[in-house]
Amino acid sequence: GAVVSQHPSWVICKSGTSVKIECRSLDFQATTMFWYRQFPKQSLMLMATSNEGSKATYEQGVEKDKFLINHASLTLSTLTVTSAHPEDSSFYICSARDTTHGTRQETQYFGPGTRLLVL
Amino acid sequence: QKEVEQDPGPLSVPEGAIVSLNCTYSNSAFQYFMWYRQYSRKGPELLMYTYSSGNKEDGRFTAQVDKSSKYISLFIRDSQPSDSATYLCAMKLTGGGNKLTFGTGTQLKVEL
Repeated sequence: GAVVSQHPSWVICKSGTSVKIECRSLDFQATTMFWYRQFPKQSLMLMATSNEGSKATYEQGVEKDKFLINHASLTLSTLTVTSAHPEDSSFYICSARDTTHGTRQETQYFGPGTRLLVL
Repeated sequence: QKEVEQDPGPLSVPEGAIVSLNCTYSNSAFQYFMWYRQYSRKGPELLMYTYSSGNKEDGRFTAQVDKSSKYISLFIRDSQPSDSATYLCAMKLTGGGNKLTFGTGTQLKVEL
């Protein structure tokens, strides 16, 4: 149980294009999902908290117009990197809180990550 | 000072050794403690989850929380080469929103 998928697993795009990454909770409902960014050999950096049916909450320093988040259902959140530039190249990971099973609500389950390379 | 401190390693041990991974933290309000394992180029995988102080065992893994010392540990018995990964500690406040505060991760290598 508690499986989170991400799609695509990797993407290469040209500078100036937009890229959409999907995060799905496969066997549980997740009213809250999280988007992280990770640079090589560094820990996870929280970018934003995605809430189903409402606006996302962004961390300080994260441009909400650059990183658009949509949490349209209890099992799907999307992150769109708009007008991507080479400095946006990174490993993007989503996670989800399992709000279906009470004993697991305080943890987060992570997706496998999406590697983005902007040329 | 970071809220959560974790030795980045790398930590290299022979196969079969007992591994001890640790984190210290400064915020005494943390109540939920987690250990994640992350293989290279993969998302973190939840290994252990404990609430408040005490021990929890799951197979070869034991998690310990000492809230009085603000110190948590993960022990791996009979370590295997497949345990080679980065181990991240994470913790959460009670009712303090949903955010996890992560350590920087310890890179572990179990050698044959």
